[in-house]
Amino acid sequence: DGGITQSPKYLFRKEGQNVTLSCEQNLNHDAMYWYRQDPGQGLRLIYYSQIVNDFQKGDIAEGYSVSREKKESFPLTVTSAQKNPTAFYLCASRVPGQGAEAFFGQGTRLTVV
Amino acid sequence: KQEVTQIPAALSVPEGENLVLNCSFTDSAIYNLQWFRQDPGKGLTSLLLIQSSQREQTSGRLNASLDKSSGRSTLYIAASQPGDSATYLCAVITWFSGGYNKLIFGAGTRLAVHP
Repeated sequence: DGGITQSPKYLFRKEGQNVTLSCEQNLNHDAMYWYRQDPGQGLRLIYYSQIVNDFQKGDIAEGYSVSREKKESFPLTVTSAQKNPTAFYLCASRVPGQGAEAFFGQGTRLTVV
Repeated sequence: KQEVTQIPAALSVPEGENLVLNCSFTDSAIYNLQWFRQDPGKGLTSLLLIQSSQREQTSGRLNASLDKSSGRSTLYIAASQPGDSATYLCAVITWFSGGYNKLIFGAGTRLAVHP
């Protein structure tokens, strides 16, 4: 089955710790995105990558980092500089064309303990 | 700056009713508009994609319309069922820095359909 796999489903982070969220897709899409969702709010863009070894900051990139070494993979690291990381994180992919449909993974819920 | 608003924020209806969910956006320069469904604690499932040159799209009991000039889209759900209970999100695909594009989301409409 083609799709987007995010792991883990739940993640707990201690204060001052870096954690990495995994996103893998087998849809052969060039464009991949990371969004953050907080209760009662719409999704906000953290980072975007249109092609391997290229990525752009979104609206709320501070405290996050990404890499894009393979087309299939776009991991997100939540660093200790992110002061309020507790949220639901969603990864998406699409063909980069203007009219293309976006597909999402099942999300990772990150909680600071 | 593009802003997307969804009204109402929450809706509770009896089974069988026909529903209209609203989505408005402030900048008509969009490439397309996509409607999603999100179940609690889950990811987003794509329902309908409307290209900027289209007026509507249909899938089963769902029909989405788009009026770019007025900055509005509606999602019509016919003969609602308890299984339709979820949060419905709309997103516009728009221009991003460097010639890229991104999705901008509304906060969603939380729908509850009771038997």
